[in-house]
Amino acid sequence: ETGVTQSPTHLIKTRGQQVTLRCSSQSGHNTVSWYQQALGQGPQFIFQYYREEENGRGNFPPRFSGLQFPNYSSELNVNALELDDSALYLCASSFGQGYDEQYFGPGTRLTVT
Amino acid sequence: QKEVEQNSGPLSVPEGAIASLNCTYSDRGSQSFFWYRQYSGKSPELIMFIYSNGDKEDGRFTAQLNKASQYVSLLIRDSQPSDSATYLCAGGGAGSYQLTFGKGTKLSVIP
Repeated sequence: ETGVTQSPTHLIKTRGQQVTLRCSSQSGHNTVSWYQQALGQGPQFIFQYYREEENGRGNFPPRFSGLQFPNYSSELNVNALELDDSALYLCASSFGQGYDEQYFGPGTRLTVT
Repeated sequence: QKEVEQNSGPLSVPEGAIASLNCTYSDRGSQSFFWYRQYSGKSPELIMFIYSNGDKEDGRFTAQLNKASQYVSLLIRDSQPSDSATYLCAGGGAGSYQLTFGKGTKLSVIP
């Protein structure tokens, strides 16, 4: 167990709706990265939050947005859901900016119908 | 476009054998590499990381990095059925905030 938690575990939404996913980082970590993993693919980087600021962003449209709170927990918000947004959403906790030693939470399985 | 390539497998090895998982990467600026294990329906679990050319050993696992050839590998000695999973290779580059993942190699260890 990494100590990284995510909620909810599973979620079903309709196309066009909005969704918020939550992540609590491991104790001692101040950075949260979000990834999207489609079936049969590796995780794709969405963005990273460090000390409440977005620290880097992958190739995802602006309808993917996020927040980090003073306790280093984080939210991922997705607006105007599309069918292709159906995936496992993973948050990874680490210490400091960058990509080093990221530890994943259990993920949120999002299904868009 | 930074890419990390892995053979999707499946790679089947008998119990007790050495499993060899390979990964190549396109970005010469990549500095650090990570191996994650992902069981079906679960999230990735970090098992090894390597920053320098050469070998790094941790228990039954050995990671190998050759930056000149842009090649990373993971050896699993004395493979066990519990090692059956998808293994993801990921790289990070200087000044980058993200890990770039391959699609993963599915390993099956046959009892």
